[in-house]
This record gives sequence, C-alpha cells and structure tokens, in this order.
Amino acid sequence: EPEVTQTPSHQVTQMGQEVILRCVPISNHLYFYWYRQILGQKVEFLVSFYNNEISEKSEIFDDQFSVERPDGSNFTLKIRSTKLEDSAMYFCASSYTGGPQHFGDGTRLSIL
Amino acid sequence: DAKTTQPPSMDCAEGRAANLPCNHSTISGNEYVYWYRQIHSQGPQYIIHGLKNNETNEMASLIITEDRKSSTLILPHATLRDTAVYYCIVRVANNDYKLSFGAGTTVTVRA
Repeated sequence: EPEVTQTPSHQVTQMGQEVILRCVPISNHLYFYWYRQILGQKVEFLVSFYNNEISEKSEIFDDQFSVERPDGSNFTLKIRSTKLEDSAMYFCASSYTGGPQHFGDGTRLSIL
Repeated sequence: DAKTTQPPSMDCAEGRAANLPCNHSTISGNEYVYWYRQIHSQGPQYIIHGLKNNETNEMASLIITEDRKSSTLILPHATLRDTAVYYCIVRVANNDYKLSFGAGTTVTVRA
C-alpha cells in the first residue's frame, strides 16, 4: 500500500538555525499538508498546498515557515530561525481530490 | 467546522467489539464524519468516513444516526494493536480542507 514517507525521523537543531523537513507524498496525490503536535497536545494544522501554492495556513504558520514542492515528488517544510517552542512532531499528509488525508510517521524536531 | 464531543477514554476487552461514540450535533449538510487513530508516536491513520449512510471497510464500521448528530465507530474484534487515540472529525467536503483534531478518545484494549 502506498504511503507518505518523511525524513529524517528525528532532527536535533540549535536554536536560531534553519531546518528543512522533507516529505514524499503518495505519488498521485494532489493536495499536501503539514501538521504539528507538541508533546502531550493536539495535532494542529499548519498549512495546505495545492497547485504549487498555499491554499490555507494557520496562525502558527508565520513568516518563519515556508513550504515548497521543489520537484514532482518532494514536499518540504522550512523553518528559517528555529525557536525552542518549535520543538514538536511534524506530520506531512497528502490526499487525492477531497478524499481522506494520509499521514506520514512524522519528524521529531528537537530544538536545543 | 462543527465541533465533536468524545469520551476521553474507554477500555475494551481483546476479541470483543469496541463501540466508540461521537457527538456532532451542529454538523452541516456538507460535512462528512471522519475517523482517524493515532498509535503512540506514529502519524494519524485514516480509518473510515461517511456522510449519512453507514459505512464498512476492512478496519471498522461507521454508524451515523439518521439526524446525523452522532455516530459510532465499531471495531468488530479489538486486538491489542488497536490501542490508540481515536479521533472523530467533522470536515467540510472540500478538496483541500484541513482536519481539526480534538483530544480524541484513548482506547485501551486489555487482554
């Protein structure tokens, strides 16, 4: 069964550094998403992406965040200058046309 | 999005059916009911969704009341691997609409 893959599984970064989280969505999917989950808290929506542009973003997704689909297979989330409060699990998801979103197993981001 | 209400936790015996309730009394006509689960330290896993008819797949059954104000997810023969947090989410039927996760129900399957 096709799946969403995310790399790395764990990223440790110094505060103030840039980090890029990578995702390979399911190959025929057209809609892409990032969510995050701070330890012990709910899964929170960050951004949705379709047709090479952001379709919706949450208040969390400020100017420090950006997304890109650099080629036909990857979908990336960049955090420009990381803060301690960015420590969380980051989940990528993809969907076909309005169908269920399928999630990867996440990248655990630890900011020191 | 319509809000959902789920019990915070429930226990279930291995091999028995697990019935997980969800209230969504303010659901709109164009909103689907989705169920996801999250096994510890993994990403949310899609289970099933429906609009107004009952649905069944290889994982579970979804029963939606006629007035659509509540639903029940049924895991027919719970196993220890079904221990997880289960989320009932109401979502607009739109192509790229976000999922809004609540706290869900923590289901513990006991041997």
